[in-house]
Amino acid sequence: GQNIDQPTEMTATEGAIVQINCTYQTSGFNGLFWYQQHAGEAPTFLSYNVLDGLEEKGRFSSFLSRSKGYSYLLLKELQMKDSASYLCAVKDSNYQLIWGAGTKLIIKP
Amino acid sequence: SQTIHQWPATLVQPVGSPLSLECTVEGTSNPNLYWYRQAAGRGLQLLFYSVGIGQISSEVPQNLSASRPQDRQFILSSKKLLLSDSGFYLCAWSSQDRDTGELFFGEGSRLTVL
Repeated sequence: GQNIDQPTEMTATEGAIVQINCTYQTSGFNGLFWYQQHAGEAPTFLSYNVLDGLEEKGRFSSFLSRSKGYSYLLLKELQMKDSASYLCAVKDSNYQLIWGAGTKLIIKP
Repeated sequence: SQTIHQWPATLVQPVGSPLSLECTVEGTSNPNLYWYRQAAGRGLQLLFYSVGIGQISSEVPQNLSASRPQDRQFILSSKKLLLSDSGFYLCAWSSQDRDTGELFFGEGSRLTVL
């Protein structure tokens, strides 16, 4: 079966750094996405990785290792507005997106 | 620029009543269109997707149906709602031209079936 694993909940302090991990087992791989979703709102696109390595975009970075079936989202200089759920999704061999359940990130002052 | 809009935002319906959620996309043509459902603590579940007018693929057998009467319009329907249909419904589109295929979501529709 296809599976995406990510922690259910994480807590971090304002101004700090947090890393949200995602491991996957899918039938094929055609890219990995990270989305941010605030409570009661729709997900918004954060990043896309298809090759191994680190993609940096401002305070957010995303890393991919295809051989390990592993990705992480790194958030720096945390702000209160970063409190949200972060969804990991993998595009499989049929180009269908398989979604993780999301990681709820709580930022404390 | 492209926009996506879905409505209604909130809906409370009795069991056995019909449902119609509508989604429209502006600023692009021939988009891929999707209906997802999101239950609390679970990943997004793909319900239907469409690559063109009248072309609908169903991912999950259920009492829901979808239609695409126009290129940028996608409708989710049910003739008789079940309690288990409660959830957060999301319409999304992606470009058939972009390599990444990232999804752009509508605002979401919160359905409560009583």
